[in-house]
Amino acid sequence: QQQVKQSPQSLIVQKGGISIINCAYENTAFDYFPWYQQFPGKGPALLIAIRPDVSEKKEGRFTISFNKSAKQFSLHIMDSQPGDSATYFCAARASSGSARQLTFGSGTQLTVLP
Amino acid sequence: DAGITQSPRHKVTETGTPVTLRCHQTENHRYMYWYRQDPGHGLRLIHYSYGVKDTDKGEVSDGYSVSRSKTEDFLLTLESATSSQTSVYFCAISEASPGELFFGEGSRLTVL
Repeated sequence: QQQVKQSPQSLIVQKGGISIINCAYENTAFDYFPWYQQFPGKGPALLIAIRPDVSEKKEGRFTISFNKSAKQFSLHIMDSQPGDSATYFCAARASSGSARQLTFGSGTQLTVLP
Repeated sequence: DAGITQSPRHKVTETGTPVTLRCHQTENHRYMYWYRQDPGHGLRLIHYSYGVKDTDKGEVSDGYSVSRSKTEDFLLTLESATSSQTSVYFCAISEASPGELFFGEGSRLTVL
């Protein structure tokens, strides 16, 4: 049962372009939405996160856009660089209950061409 | 980098054999997690711990057990490995529940 659906599965972008990764969820009890970045052979690392009381959060070239009514959130990478080539995972956490653990999307493999 | 060490990093075993993966942390974080990563499935939670000897099941716990006898160590055991348990296993830690997760570098397990 996948509660967070992520797309696309893979993405190829030219250097300097904009990379966009989308996630959708169904559980309205989710209250925290992080994005993790994973380089080959490494564990994932937190990139940026947002809570549903804001519609956008920006950190450098990385921006999360959040649409609560549509139950969707997305990661935008501006001026994409070859060093951004990695796998990106969206995730969500429930606000209460015993299962307050992160549920991850299936991942997007981003390749930025030089 | 967070002080998380996973061992072994690579293991090949045969169906039916027991396997234990170890996660060791030096951060004194309360929470520890075991995830498995498979293509098309992202990261799925196997078990987690919220204190010494306090553990709970995750999304894909069948066929796995865990133990935490010390704050710094979290063991994942496959009592009788199956080919479907071929995967990359990640340990993660966090101070809060769940808060920011800090991941180890993974243990690649192949069950023949």
